[in-house]
Amino acid sequence: EVQLVESGGGLVQPGQSLRLSCTSSGFNVGDYAMTWVRQAPGEGLEWLGLVRSKNYGGTTDYAASVRGRFTISRDDSKNIAYLQMNSLKTEDTALYYCTRGFERRLDYWGQGTLVTVSS
Amino acid sequence: DIQMTQSPSSLSASVGDRVTITCRASQSITNYLNWYQQKPGKAPNLLIYAISTLESGVPSRFSGSGSGTDFTLTITSLQPEDFATYYCQQGDITPRTFGPGTKVEVK
Repeated sequence: EVQLVESGGGLVQPGQSLRLSCTSSGFNVGDYAMTWVRQAPGEGLEWLGLVRSKNYGGTTDYAASVRGRFTISRDDSKNIAYLQMNSLKTEDTALYYCTRGFERRLDYWGQGTLVTVSS
Repeated sequence: DIQMTQSPSSLSASVGDRVTITCRASQSITNYLNWYQQKPGKAPNLLIYAISTLESGVPSRFSGSGSGTDFTLTITSLQPEDFATYYCQQGDITPRTFGPGTKVEVK
């Protein structure tokens, strides 16, 4: 059974960093495009970025809103994907979802981890 | 970036109604157009991918169509469990943007 479980969320001050983890089971993260999506309170979905599968070179792409501040990576040996978030802003407050990308669609989602950026 | 718009932003409907949601891309995309359903307090769920292919387990009352820049999600006979918010997403190029969502509410 495919499962994705996010962890690492919490309350941080503006300017601080946080690393989210996505622990996956039932598949190998290296074989898929691991993608992060967030949802601010009461708002819609925002695609943040992805790390492509090994077959596609493991390259990354990001939304403009987080490019240069956020980094997506994965550890194939642990089957975990990560979202490193630096220079956090209040507008980064959201529920962060880890998703599995397969053939340009997001077929499995975790339940999300909440990040609150506030002084 | 490709901008995705949806209309309407919300609609009120009754059980048994036919519901149509439109999604428009700011430029022509290939067939990488997906639809997701999200219920309150839950993660989104993939409904349709590649414009018109139903994800496994999705009821046949859901269907998708369209091409180029204009796409449609149709629910032929709305059921109580279908009251939710629906998002389109383009998977053509990064960033793989979502539409703003359409909330389907009880009339």
